Amino acid sequence: EVVLTQSPATLSLSPGERATLSCRASQSISNYLVWYQQKPGQAPRLLIYDTFNRATGIPARFSGSGAGTDFTLTISSLDPEDFAVYYCQQRNKWPLTFGGGTKVEIK
Amino acid sequence: DVQLLESGGGVVKPGGSLRLSCAASGFTFSSYVMNWVRQAPGKGLEWVSSISSSGDSAWHADSVRGRFAISRDNSRNTLFLQMNNLRAEDTAVYYCAKNWREGADQEAFDIWGLGTMVTVAS
Repeated sequence: EVVLTQSPATLSLSPGERATLSCRASQSISNYLVWYQQKPGQAPRLLIYDTFNRATGIPARFSGSGAGTDFTLTISSLDPEDFAVYYCQQRNKWPLTFGGGTKVEIK
Repeated sequence: DVQLLESGGGVVKPGGSLRLSCAASGFTFSSYVMNWVRQAPGKGLEWVSSISSSGDSAWHADSVRGRFAISRDNSRNTLFLQMNNLRAEDTAVYYCAKNWREGADQEAFDIWGLGTMVTVAS
């Protein structure tokens, strides 16, 4: 099973700051890495698929990068609505797996 | 509007059974792999099961294999999850989710339902 490790667990930042979230895979997953955003009481929302492709309607301040085992989600300038939990997921092989999440909180 | 609506959650004793349903609308249900993902209270996301567009193939997490069965009825645009021999650790919100693209079994999930809560407790 591919284990995804997200860091940091919590990121405390102010609106307007840059957020950098990491997701590391226990083995190569090519570029088959997905990012989701989840707010309290809501279902996850697809942000990025296949490392760097933004899903429909996702603002350009969200970007993804990486390959192989190391991946990054960057939010260039945090909007108040961006404070949430972010999960990565790999779709390279069964079983599909998720990282443990990074909470982006207001400092 | 593309929509998924889960139902069937509730409180059940350990060893009991539940059947979850997910009603789909606004897209060609029969063209997409469908999935169940769960989230224990205060915890992260865990993939549970996926089923091919035709229903001929299914995949399950090790944690539920042999106890849970995913199925679908394309004539009714409905996805199911039969859960047997439930354990306390199965307590979670269960989400139904649609594959983003046709054709690939393993995919990103672009549409999620609101979830249905399953509580396993004596």
